[in-house]
Amino acid sequence: AQSVTQLDSQVPVFEEAPVELRCNYSSSVSVYLFWYVQYPNQGLQLLLKYLSGSTLVESINGFEAEFNKSQTSFHLRKPSVHISDTAEYFCAVSVPSGGSYIPTFGRGTSLIVHP
Amino acid sequence: DTGVSQNPRHKITKRGQNVTFRCDPISEHNRLYWYRQTLGQGPEFLTYFQNEAQLEKSRLLSDRFSAERPKGSFSTLEIQRTEQGDSAMYLCASSPRISGSGEQYFGPGTRLTVT
Repeated sequence: AQSVTQLDSQVPVFEEAPVELRCNYSSSVSVYLFWYVQYPNQGLQLLLKYLSGSTLVESINGFEAEFNKSQTSFHLRKPSVHISDTAEYFCAVSVPSGGSYIPTFGRGTSLIVHP
Repeated sequence: DTGVSQNPRHKITKRGQNVTFRCDPISEHNRLYWYRQTLGQGPEFLTYFQNEAQLEKSRLLSDRFSAERPKGSFSTLEIQRTEQGDSAMYLCASSPRISGSGEQYFGPGTRLTVT
């Protein structure tokens, strides 16, 4: 079975500063990796995903994540955060099996951007 | 609005009562998933459907929990004889059969409070 660890429950940062949200996973087989974002009072939205190919994936709003197989990590980064990035971020891992994908989520990291 | 919708958004009930939640997935999505999310945790998978078939239900929390998707469109999640420990956010997500990625589209959730 796979598992996901998000070590930081809360990450406070000032606006325009860089940020890294850490995610480590464990699995005995190849995985798909995702970052979801949850804004207050909203559902989870997919931020970015790694399926195969280039280990660096990017989102449309400036976030990027790098798949590191040797370290079993998929950390999320942004070089300069905005107030509007304040949200809960969830890392998830899924193993494709028979066409179904049941992701396992980490407990989430609350990103708090201060002015 | 073509996203995943859930009703009601909030439900307050007394211990011992039965509750039912509804999820309407994105219309062309044939897979539907239910999750529970408690404070400070990521979504916890409960069950999922492909069309009207419930393909995984072993992770429903107890026999008080049941889900249906009778016509392969909307789904309901019922909790019988609610307990205070059932208080949580219940999330629904959908995905197309051939998503190629396993990414899911989440609804806003139904927040259940058991008093």
